[in-house]
Amino acid sequence: QKEVEQDPGPLSVPEGAIVSLNCTYSNSAFQYFMWYRQYSRKGPELLMYTYSSGNKEDGRFTAQVDKSSKYISLFIRDSQPSDSATYLCAMTFGGTGFQKLVFGTGTRLLVSP
Amino acid sequence: KAGVTQTPRYLIKTRGQQVTLSCSPISGHRSVSWYQQTPGQGLQFLFEYFSETQRNKGNFPGRFSGRQFSNSRSEMNVSTLELGDSALYLCASSLNGGGSEQYFGPGTRLTVT
Repeated sequence: QKEVEQDPGPLSVPEGAIVSLNCTYSNSAFQYFMWYRQYSRKGPELLMYTYSSGNKEDGRFTAQVDKSSKYISLFIRDSQPSDSATYLCAMTFGGTGFQKLVFGTGTRLLVSP
Repeated sequence: KAGVTQTPRYLIKTRGQQVTLSCSPISGHRSVSWYQQTPGQGLQFLFEYFSETQRNKGNFPGRFSGRQFSNSRSEMNVSTLELGDSALYLCASSLNGGGSEQYFGPGTRLTVT
Protein backbone atom coordinates (compact mmCIF):
# COMPACT_ATOMS: atom_id res chain seq x y z
CA GLN A 1 0.00 0.00 0.00
CA LYS A 2 1.32 3.43 -0.95
CA GLU A 3 1.72 6.05 1.76
CA VAL A 4 -0.38 8.50 -0.23
CA GLU A 5 -3.21 7.42 -2.52
CA GLN A 6 -4.66 9.66 -5.21
CA ASP A 7 -7.06 8.82 -8.02
CA PRO A 8 -5.17 9.38 -11.31
CA GLY A 9 -8.29 10.40 -13.23
CA PRO A 10 -8.71 11.91 -15.72
CA LEU A 11 -11.46 13.99 -14.20
CA SER A 12 -13.46 15.81 -16.89
CA VAL A 13 -15.76 18.70 -15.95
CA PRO A 14 -17.45 21.56 -17.81
CA GLU A 15 -16.30 25.12 -17.32
CA GLY A 16 -17.80 26.67 -14.19
CA ALA A 17 -18.13 23.40 -12.29
CA ILE A 18 -16.91 22.86 -8.76
CA VAL A 19 -14.04 20.39 -8.73
CA SER A 20 -13.17 18.17 -5.81
CA LEU A 21 -9.74 16.49 -5.69
CA ASN A 22 -8.81 14.13 -2.90
CA CYS A 23 -5.97 12.19 -1.32
CA THR A 24 -5.85 9.66 1.46
CA TYR A 25 -2.78 8.76 3.44
CA SER A 26 -1.72 6.11 5.88
CA ASN A 27 0.90 7.77 8.10
CA SER A 28 -0.68 9.78 10.90
CA ALA A 29 2.65 11.57 11.50
CA PHE A 30 2.19 13.79 8.46
CA GLN A 31 1.63 17.37 9.56
CA TYR A 32 2.13 19.60 6.52
CA PHE A 33 -0.08 19.20 3.49
CA MET A 34 0.34 20.75 0.06
CA TRP A 35 -1.31 20.86 -3.31
CA TYR A 36 0.73 21.41 -6.44
CA ARG A 37 -0.48 22.08 -9.96
CA GLN A 38 1.61 20.79 -12.83
CA TYR A 39 1.07 21.70 -16.44
CA SER A 40 2.41 19.43 -19.14
CA ARG A 41 6.21 19.57 -19.38
CA LYS A 42 6.47 22.07 -16.51
CA GLY A 43 7.55 21.85 -12.89
CA PRO A 44 4.96 21.59 -10.09
CA GLU A 45 3.60 24.92 -8.87
CA LEU A 46 2.71 25.27 -5.19
CA LEU A 47 -0.99 26.12 -4.87
CA MET A 48 -1.90 25.55 -1.25
CA TYR A 49 0.08 24.86 1.92
CA THR A 50 -1.60 23.93 5.19
CA TYR A 51 -0.48 22.80 8.58
CA SER A 52 -2.43 20.17 10.52
CA SER A 53 -6.24 19.99 10.27
CA GLY A 54 -8.61 22.64 9.04
CA ASN A 55 -9.51 24.67 5.99
CA LYS A 56 -7.60 27.26 3.99
CA GLU A 57 -9.01 29.39 1.23
CA ASP A 58 -7.20 31.30 -1.51
CA GLY A 59 -9.34 32.77 -4.24
CA ARG A 60 -11.14 29.98 -6.06
CA PHE A 61 -9.18 27.31 -4.19
CA THR A 62 -10.01 25.74 -0.82
CA ALA A 63 -7.87 23.13 0.87
CA GLN A 64 -9.25 20.90 3.60
CA VAL A 65 -7.37 18.59 5.91
CA ASP A 66 -9.08 15.98 8.08
CA LYS A 67 -6.33 14.29 10.08
CA SER A 68 -8.76 12.05 11.95
CA SER A 69 -9.78 10.46 8.62
CA LYS A 70 -6.33 10.86 7.01
CA TYR A 71 -8.01 12.63 4.12
CA ILE A 72 -7.23 15.87 2.32
CA SER A 73 -9.16 17.70 -0.36
CA LEU A 74 -8.75 20.54 -2.79
CA PHE A 75 -11.85 22.31 -4.09
CA ILE A 76 -11.77 24.53 -7.17
CA ARG A 77 -14.76 26.82 -7.63
CA ASP A 78 -15.83 28.21 -11.01
CA SER A 79 -13.34 25.99 -12.81
CA GLN A 80 -11.72 27.39 -15.96
CA PRO A 81 -10.11 25.68 -18.97
CA SER A 82 -6.81 27.11 -17.72
CA ASP A 83 -7.20 24.90 -14.63
CA SER A 84 -6.66 21.85 -16.85
CA ALA A 85 -3.52 20.28 -15.41
CA THR A 86 -2.34 17.51 -13.12
CA TYR A 87 -2.90 18.17 -9.44
CA LEU A 88 -0.50 16.56 -6.99
CA CYS A 89 -1.04 16.29 -3.29
CA ALA A 90 2.06 16.17 -1.12
CA MET A 91 2.71 15.89 2.56
CA THR A 92 5.58 15.89 4.99
CA PHE A 93 6.39 15.45 8.63
CA GLY A 94 7.03 18.15 11.19
CA GLY A 95 10.15 18.60 13.23
CA THR A 96 13.52 20.14 12.55
CA GLY A 97 15.78 19.31 9.68
CA PHE A 98 14.74 18.40 6.21
CA GLN A 99 11.59 16.42 5.63
CA LYS A 100 11.08 15.05 2.13
CA LEU A 101 7.79 15.53 0.39
CA VAL A 102 5.74 12.38 -0.17
CA PHE A 103 3.58 12.78 -3.25
CA GLY A 104 0.41 11.26 -4.54
CA THR A 105 0.47 10.06 -8.13
CA GLY A 106 -1.49 13.11 -9.30
CA THR A 107 -5.01 13.59 -10.71
CA ARG A 108 -5.34 14.83 -14.25
CA LEU A 109 -8.09 17.44 -14.53
CA LEU A 110 -9.70 18.47 -17.83
CA VAL A 111 -12.00 21.49 -17.86
CA SER A 112 -13.89 21.85 -21.13
CA PRO A 113 -15.21 25.23 -22.38
CA LYS B 1 11.87 37.56 -6.70
CA ALA B 2 13.21 35.15 -9.32
CA GLY B 3 12.06 31.55 -9.07
CA VAL B 4 14.04 28.34 -9.13
CA THR B 5 16.04 27.90 -12.31
CA GLN B 6 17.37 24.68 -13.77
CA THR B 7 19.78 24.11 -16.61
CA PRO B 8 19.77 22.61 -19.09
CA ARG B 9 16.08 22.16 -19.79
CA TYR B 10 16.55 19.21 -22.11
CA LEU B 11 19.30 16.63 -22.49
CA ILE B 12 19.79 13.59 -24.67
CA LYS B 13 22.51 11.19 -23.60
CA THR B 14 23.66 7.69 -24.50
CA ARG B 15 23.77 4.73 -22.12
CA GLY B 16 27.01 4.64 -20.15
CA GLN B 17 27.59 8.38 -20.31
CA GLN B 18 27.36 10.71 -17.34
CA VAL B 19 25.40 13.92 -16.92
CA THR B 20 25.43 16.96 -14.64
CA LEU B 21 22.32 19.01 -13.95
CA SER B 22 22.28 22.40 -12.27
CA CYS B 23 19.80 24.16 -9.99
CA SER B 24 19.77 27.72 -8.68
CA PRO B 25 17.38 28.17 -5.75
CA ILE B 26 15.31 31.20 -4.86
CA SER B 27 17.46 33.93 -3.36
CA GLY B 28 17.77 33.42 0.39
CA HIS B 29 16.77 29.76 0.29
CA ARG B 30 19.38 27.44 1.71
CA SER B 31 17.78 24.05 1.17
CA VAL B 32 17.79 22.39 -2.24
CA SER B 33 16.23 19.01 -2.83
CA TRP B 34 16.11 16.88 -5.97
CA TYR B 35 13.29 14.67 -7.23
CA GLN B 36 12.92 12.30 -10.14
CA GLN B 37 9.57 12.21 -11.92
CA THR B 38 8.55 9.35 -14.20
CA PRO B 39 5.12 8.29 -15.47
CA GLY B 40 5.35 4.96 -13.65
CA GLN B 41 6.78 6.00 -10.29
CA GLY B 42 5.66 9.61 -9.98
CA LEU B 43 7.80 11.98 -7.97
CA GLN B 44 10.53 10.31 -5.95
CA PHE B 45 12.96 12.01 -3.60
CA LEU B 46 16.64 11.78 -4.50
CA PHE B 47 18.49 13.90 -1.91
CA GLU B 48 18.59 17.23 -0.14
CA TYR B 49 21.38 19.69 0.55
CA PHE B 50 21.56 22.41 3.15
CA SER B 51 24.58 24.60 3.77
CA GLU B 52 26.68 22.48 1.41
CA THR B 53 25.87 19.27 3.34
CA GLN B 54 23.72 16.38 2.24
CA ARG B 55 21.14 15.94 5.00
CA ASN B 56 18.90 13.31 3.53
CA LYS B 57 19.02 10.75 0.76
CA GLY B 58 16.36 8.70 -0.97
CA ASN B 59 16.56 5.12 -2.23
CA PHE B 60 18.60 5.61 -5.36
CA PRO B 61 21.85 3.90 -6.33
CA GLY B 62 25.21 5.53 -5.78
CA ARG B 63 25.34 6.53 -9.44
CA PHE B 64 23.20 9.47 -8.38
CA SER B 65 25.15 12.10 -6.48
CA GLY B 66 25.02 15.79 -5.85
CA ARG B 67 26.64 18.73 -4.21
CA GLN B 68 25.85 22.24 -3.10
CA PHE B 69 28.00 25.32 -3.34
CA SER B 70 28.41 28.17 -0.89
CA ASN B 71 25.91 30.29 -2.84
CA SER B 72 23.32 27.48 -2.39
CA ARG B 73 23.40 26.50 -6.05
CA SER B 74 23.31 22.75 -6.43
CA GLU B 75 24.37 20.21 -9.01
CA MET B 76 23.24 16.65 -9.50
CA ASN B 77 25.36 14.07 -11.29
CA VAL B 78 24.33 10.74 -12.75
CA SER B 79 27.08 8.42 -13.88
CA THR B 80 26.90 5.36 -16.11
CA LEU B 81 23.48 6.30 -17.44
CA GLU B 82 20.86 3.61 -17.95
CA LEU B 83 17.74 3.70 -20.10
CA GLY B 84 15.65 3.77 -16.91
CA ASP B 85 17.21 7.06 -15.90
CA SER B 86 15.12 8.84 -18.53
CA ALA B 87 12.94 11.18 -16.49
CA LEU B 88 12.13 14.74 -15.54
CA TYR B 89 14.56 15.83 -12.83
CA LEU B 90 13.18 18.52 -10.58
CA CYS B 91 14.83 20.57 -7.92
CA ALA B 92 12.96 22.33 -5.16
CA SER B 93 14.17 25.10 -2.91
CA SER B 94 12.99 26.11 0.54
CA LEU B 95 14.19 28.41 3.25
CA ASN B 96 15.56 25.76 5.53
CA GLY B 97 13.79 22.47 4.80
CA GLY B 98 11.71 21.15 7.67
CA GLY B 99 8.06 21.85 7.04
CA SER B 100 8.71 25.03 5.10
CA GLU B 101 7.25 25.53 1.67
CA GLN B 102 9.12 23.96 -1.22
CA TYR B 103 9.14 25.60 -4.63
CA PHE B 104 10.00 23.66 -7.74
CA GLY B 105 11.94 24.62 -10.82
CA PRO B 106 10.85 23.80 -14.38
CA GLY B 107 12.91 20.60 -14.44
CA THR B 108 15.46 19.06 -16.74
CA ARG B 109 14.11 16.43 -19.08
CA LEU B 110 16.74 13.75 -19.55
CA THR B 111 16.41 11.19 -22.32
CA VAL B 112 18.83 8.26 -22.35
CA THR B 113 19.11 6.34 -25.63
